Amino acid sequence: EDKVVQSPLSLVVHEGDTVTLNCSYEVTNFRSLLWYKQEKKAPTFLFMLTSSGIEKKSGRLSSILDKKELFSILNITATQTGDSAVYLCAVSPLWANAGKSTFGDGTTLTVKP
Amino acid sequence: DSGVTQTPKHLITATGQRVTLRCSPRSGDLSVYWYQQSLDQGLQFLIQYYNGEERAKGNILERFSAQQFPDLHSELNLSSLELGDSALYFCASSAPGESYEQYFGPGTRLTVT
Repeated sequence: EDKVVQSPLSLVVHEGDTVTLNCSYEVTNFRSLLWYKQEKKAPTFLFMLTSSGIEKKSGRLSSILDKKELFSILNITATQTGDSAVYLCAVSPLWANAGKSTFGDGTTLTVKP
Repeated sequence: DSGVTQTPKHLITATGQRVTLRCSPRSGDLSVYWYQQSLDQGLQFLIQYYNGEERAKGNILERFSAQQFPDLHSELNLSSLELGDSALYFCASSAPGESYEQYFGPGTRLTVT
């Protein structure tokens, strides 16, 4: 059975800090790893990673995938209170079952002023 | 706003009853996914439809069923409801092709009393 483990489960930082969120996975026929941000509503898409070692970047957020060691990290620099959310990692298998994403339990990030 | 709509926003019903949740995907998206999110189980994939056909199935109970109609909207039917079915039900959609970025609707909060 596919499995995604995120760590830490929760994190409290102060504005301006840099954080690193971790996601390790076990999936049969890996296709992609996705990061989502969930505030008090629906998850919103952040990144999709399919190739090892290539960093995806969007503003203060960046993510990288290591397919050999089966993990990904999400970095947030210069954190702001608006970054407070649950960050979800999901893995998606190859096309035949691509929709069958497996989500981790998420990391709850709280950024204090 | 992701462009995915879900109705109703909230639903309160009694055990043993049946409900229907409705989802309209983003314009142009052919895939619709249904997820259940409860406090103790995180985000769980239920089922995916692609252009009217079932594409992938997760841990969906036999009491639950779904379908996608020719206009691509989808319905999730939950029957013989139990207290444990109380959860947030999300619908997501994705574009045709091999992009697995999913865009989530606002969710339907189901409370079974």
